Amino acid sequence: SQQGEEDPQALSIQEGENATMNCSYKTSINNLQWYRQNSGRGLVHLILIRSNEREKHSGRLRVTLDTSKKSSSLLITASRAADTASYFCATGGRGGNKLTFGTGTQLKVEL
Amino acid sequence: DGGITQSPKYLFRKEGQNVTLSCEQNLNHDAMYWYRQDPGQGLRLIYYSQIVNDFQKGDIAEGYSVSREKKESFPLTVTSAQKNPTAFYLCASSSPGGRTNEKLFFGSGTQLSVL
Repeated sequence: SQQGEEDPQALSIQEGENATMNCSYKTSINNLQWYRQNSGRGLVHLILIRSNEREKHSGRLRVTLDTSKKSSSLLITASRAADTASYFCATGGRGGNKLTFGTGTQLKVEL
Repeated sequence: DGGITQSPKYLFRKEGQNVTLSCEQNLNHDAMYWYRQDPGQGLRLIYYSQIVNDFQKGDIAEGYSVSREKKESFPLTVTSAQKNPTAFYLCASSSPGGRTNEKLFFGSGTQLSVL
């Protein structure tokens, strides 16, 4: 079963603009993670935010988590053409349960 | 160079044939996973293993089998019972301790197609 749902499904922006992707989930979590996937490749871990954290930064990435709304957002600032990829959220359940992935947002950054 | 190696990159299966996808890691990770990805969709868990000689079914285990005889290796067999095997298969591992909700490291995937 897929717990996370990303929104929007696809996003097209110009280089230099900011990109925001959202993830909603259904049950209580231990942590929420964001991954990036270039076409035809494996996923790369971007950032992990735990349920007791509200915001986290890593370079041009900013992740927020609102457990009351069961939602998270990923902001990529000053986007580059190289950021073109699919982005997935994954939720880690309590008790060490395995990760559950969402359906992804396809981001296209145009020159 | 540490990481996860999947092979082959492309694989073709004939009707009624079993095929095996290889996954090897040198990260000293206890937990390993197999995911299936269909076009435009997210990842669905097939099988996972938290320790050598033990593995658990994921959400879509029917038609697949695995083994975990060595810590470094977690091969996936797609059997003839899997009627719709065409997909992108991803192997992953996670940090020591066997916890299954931590950061995953992925291989580069195997694209399986039916002839």
